[in-house]
Formats: sequence, C-alpha cells, structure tokens
Amino acid sequence: QVQLQESGPGLVKPSQTLSLSCTVSGASITNAGAYWTWIRQHPGKGLEWIGYIHYTGKTYYNPSLESRVTLSLDTSKNQFSLRVPSVTAADTAIYYCASAFEGYYFDFWGQGTPVTVSS
Amino acid sequence: DIQMTQSPSSLSAPVGDRVTITCRASQGISNYLAWYQHKPGRVPKLLIYSASTLQSGVPSRFSGSGSGTDFTLTISSLQPEDVAIYYCQEFTGVPYTFGQGTKVEIK
Repeated sequence: QVQLQESGPGLVKPSQTLSLSCTVSGASITNAGAYWTWIRQHPGKGLEWIGYIHYTGKTYYNPSLESRVTLSLDTSKNQFSLRVPSVTAADTAIYYCASAFEGYYFDFWGQGTPVTVSS
Repeated sequence: DIQMTQSPSSLSAPVGDRVTITCRASQGISNYLAWYQHKPGRVPKLLIYSASTLQSGVPSRFSGSGSGTDFTLTISSLQPEDVAIYYCQEFTGVPYTFGQGTKVEIK
C-alpha cells in the first residue's frame, strides 16, 4: 500500500517562502509512469490542483500558479517537494500531496497539512 | 479551464437509501472523470475513475455513470460509514479541476 505524508511549517509569514515535502512509502518516486502531485484546499473552498512532477523530473503546473510554484524530486529521500515564494494570505490552505500511477486521477493521498500565512 | 459543478452541495438520507450525486462539466470530457470520498480526519480516497470503473477495494454499493458533460455517483444503499464529502474531478488535461464537493450525512 502506497502512503504519502506531508511535512512542513504550519505557519509562514507573508512574503516568505513556503516549502513542503511529501515522503512516499510503499513505492519508489522513480516508479515508471508515476506522477507526484500537489493539491490545495482554501478554507471553505474546493480543491485546487497545483501541479505534478513526473518521475523523469518533468513538471506540469496549473497555469494560474505556474509563475509562483516549483516542484522537485529528492530520490535519495523518496520525497517530492513544493516551493512557493513570496506567499500571501491567499496561500493559506490545506496542502495535500498525492500520486497518480495509472493516469491523471489521484489514487493515493496524504493526510494534508494546514498552512497559514500570517505575521 | 473546465468548470465542474456538483449537485446537491449537501444531502441527508436514511441508512439504506439510494443516493445520487451529479457532476456536470462545462464542456465535454468524454469519460475522463474520477470520484473521491473524503471522510473527516481521513485521507481522501479514490472511489471511481474513467467515470464508471470502481477502484480496487471500494464497496460495490458505489457506482458511477455518464459521459460527455453529465455524470453521476450512486450509493445504492447508504451506510453510516459513507458519511463524507464527495468530489468529482476531470482529467482531460492541465489544469485538472474538481467539483466543489457534496456533503453526505445520515438522517
């Protein structure tokens, strides 16, 4: 069974950089065909797909966020990460990592980690 | 971007009832649709993909149908453990979009 676990700070000051990691167990992030995804949910709102990174390192981003976010892989730790510089209150959300092994739907998810942007 | 609209936003039904949730896409998406269940405090769970294919391990009381713009998720006999928020998601291409969710409760 694949399991994902997000980690990172729960509180980030405005204009600082948000960095989150997702540790994968039960599968290798270099698994052929695997896509590793970040999704967020603003308070009281629906789910927003942020982007995903392919096991080859190729990235795909939501055009609404493409200029602001960076996804990366750390094969030594079997992790993938999200970086959002210059955060604002609009980045306050629950951030989920997820996997897509069979296509572009998300077969395994992490618990989600809440992030608040506030001074 | 493709907009996904779910209805109703919430529902309450007795145990054993048949429950249907609808998801409508703003343009045709063939069968590129998935359904997820999110229980409070739990990890979101993939229920159905490609509109009607049940994910391994998902109870058979869950079913999905539809193609093009209109889709449904049906719970044939609602159980207490089905209390959750249900989301649809299209996967025709970047950016993938979700419905706003349907909260299912027991009456």
